[in-house]
Amino acid sequence: GEDVEQSLFLSVREGDSSVINCTYTDSSSTYLYWYKQEPGAGLQLLTYIFSNMDMKQDQRLTVLLNKKDKHLSLRIADTQTGDSAIYFCAEDTGGGNKLTFGTGTQLKVEL
Amino acid sequence: DTAVSQTPKYLVTQMGNDKSIKCEQNLGHDTMYWYKQDSKKFLKIMFSYNNKELIINETVPNRFSPKSPDKAHLNLHINSLELGDSAVYFCASSLDRAAYGYTFGSGTRLTVV
Repeated sequence: GEDVEQSLFLSVREGDSSVINCTYTDSSSTYLYWYKQEPGAGLQLLTYIFSNMDMKQDQRLTVLLNKKDKHLSLRIADTQTGDSAIYFCAEDTGGGNKLTFGTGTQLKVEL
Repeated sequence: DTAVSQTPKYLVTQMGNDKSIKCEQNLGHDTMYWYKQDSKKFLKIMFSYNNKELIINETVPNRFSPKSPDKAHLNLHINSLELGDSAVYFCASSLDRAAYGYTFGSGTRLTVV
C-alpha cells in the first residue's frame, strides 16, 4: 500500500527540541520531504533528503533517514511558538509522478 | 510575485450545483496537480497534468473534471456537488517530475450545504 504513517500530535515546550517521525512504504522513492502547513495556508516545503543519504542538516532542522526501516524523522532544535503547525512527510511514488503525503503531525509549542 | 494562485479562496454552495476552481502558476513549471485535504487533514492526490497532458487520475468520481488550457493553468470543475465534496482543494506545481518537490497554492475551502 501507499500509507505513510505519522503520529497525530506532539506537544513541546518553547526552547526544547521536537522530533517528528514518519514511516513510509515505497523503497524506490528518490527523495523524501518535510512540509509545514500553518492554519489556513498551503503546504510549504521545509527540507528534503536524497534517498542515499542518512542525514541532512539545515539550520535548526535535522533530517534522519533509516532506509532499512523506511523511517524518516525531522528534528527541530530550539523550537519556537512560530513552529506550531502541521508537519507532513512525503515520498515520491508512482515512478516519481506524484508525492504521497503522510497523515500529518500537529506540533504545539507551549510557553 | 512568483507563485501558485488559486481562486476562489472560499466557496460555499448548495448540493447539486456545478462549480469551478481555477489555478495558475507563473513558475514555468511543467506539471500541475490537484489534491484534496479532508477534515482530518489527509491529503490525497486527485489529478496531475504534465504539459497539458493528463498523467494521473486517481479514482476520482466522474463529476470532477480537470482542464488544462495551457501548462500554466489547471482548473477543476465539479458537477452535481455533494456534501462529501466539502474539503480544502490544493493546487500544486512542480518543475517536471514530482521528485523535484511541489509548490502549493494556498487552497480553496469548499463547503457544500
